Amino acid sequence: KQEVTQIPAALSVPEGENLVLNCSFTDSAIYNLQWFRQDPGKGLTSLLLIQSSQREQTSGRLNASLDKSSGRSTLYIAASQPGDSATYLCAVRGLNTGGFKTIFGAGTRLFVKA
Amino acid sequence: DTEVTQTPKHLVMGMTNKKSLKCEQHMGHRAMYWYKQKAKKPPELMFVYSYEKLSINESVPSRFSPECPNSSLLNLHLHALQPEDSALYLCASSQGPKGGGNQPQHFGDGTRLSIL
Repeated sequence: KQEVTQIPAALSVPEGENLVLNCSFTDSAIYNLQWFRQDPGKGLTSLLLIQSSQREQTSGRLNASLDKSSGRSTLYIAASQPGDSATYLCAVRGLNTGGFKTIFGAGTRLFVKA
Repeated sequence: DTEVTQTPKHLVMGMTNKKSLKCEQHMGHRAMYWYKQKAKKPPELMFVYSYEKLSINESVPSRFSPECPNSSLLNLHLHALQPEDSALYLCASSQGPKGGGNQPQHFGDGTRLSIL
């Protein structure tokens, strides 16, 4: 059974810092891994999707990497801003379930202080 | 603006009421999903529809009844819910449930449901 873990559970940093969020998963048979952002009481906003054959994806100040063999992904946020404050979720879509199921980690709650 | 639209945004209902949640997308996606999210927890998959057919039911109680009347619409019919069913209900869609691994899920803003 796929399990997804995110570390740290919460993070508070001053504005301008570069930071790394970690995601690990137990079953490497995946289609893709997707990083989401969720603001309080809101839905999920897709940030980056990495296919199983890819090593990394970049969008603006965000860079996500994937090491499928070790079951790890990282989300790098450069020059953090107060507007980056949110919960960040990683989600894995498994091959073994025919690609139907997405399993989420519990998230990292990020607070960027001005 | 989200490309997946959910209505209503908020719903308060008693345990004997019948209500429905609606989800709509016009991206031509053929897979649609319902998730339940409790406070400070990750979303949990409830149902998956693929090409308007129910593909996955994650052992959800029968008081939740999904319906996919066409490729753009997904409903969740609610009846005789319990207080523990209070949560944020999220709808999502993707081009298909599988196929190449390059198909992100797109989420709506959710319906916040409160059961009295």
